[in-house]
Amino acid sequence: AQSVTQPDIHITVSEGASLELRCNYSYGATPYLFWYVQSPGQGLQLLLKYFSGDTLVQGIKGFEAEFKRSQSSFNLRKPSVHWSDAAEYFCAVGPPVSGGYQKVTFGTGTKLQVIP
Amino acid sequence: DTEVTQTPKHLVMGMTNKKSLKCEQHMGHRAMYWYKQKAKKPPELMFVYSYEKLSINESVPSRFSPECPNSSLLNLHLHALQPEDSALYLCASSPPPGFSPLHFGNGTRLTVT
Repeated sequence: AQSVTQPDIHITVSEGASLELRCNYSYGATPYLFWYVQSPGQGLQLLLKYFSGDTLVQGIKGFEAEFKRSQSSFNLRKPSVHWSDAAEYFCAVGPPVSGGYQKVTFGTGTKLQVIP
Repeated sequence: DTEVTQTPKHLVMGMTNKKSLKCEQHMGHRAMYWYKQKAKKPPELMFVYSYEKLSINESVPSRFSPECPNSSLLNLHLHALQPEDSALYLCASSPPPGFSPLHFGNGTRLTVT
């Protein structure tokens, strides 16, 4: 069975500092990996995705993530955090599925607080 | 702006009420999903429709009844809910093929009194 672990429940960073959110997955083959962000009371917005190819993927809002197969990790990074980045971040894994839909497993989330 | 529209944004209902949540998308996506999200928890999959057919029911209680009238609409009919069903209900859609990411609506905040 697939699973996702986000070891950090809560992270606080200063505005302008760099950010790294950790994500480890468990899956028997090459997974499809995603990072989503959720602001309070809102739905989830896709930041970036990895299916195959280049292991460093660029996303929206200046985020990037690196897939490391040897470490079963897909960590999210941003070089300089803005106050508007404060939100909940979810890592997710979804296997290739026939039938035209995704069955995605979400991690427990990391809440990011940004201080001035 | 989200391209998946959910109505209503907020809903308060009693345990004997019948209500429905509505989700609409016009992106041509053929898979639509219902998720339930409790506070400080990740979304939990409830149902998946693919090409208007129910493909996944994650052992959801029968007081939740999904319906997919056409490829753009997804409903969730609610009846005899319990207070513990209070949550944010999220709708999502995705295009074929199956590895395309999900597009989420902003959710309906449901409170059962």
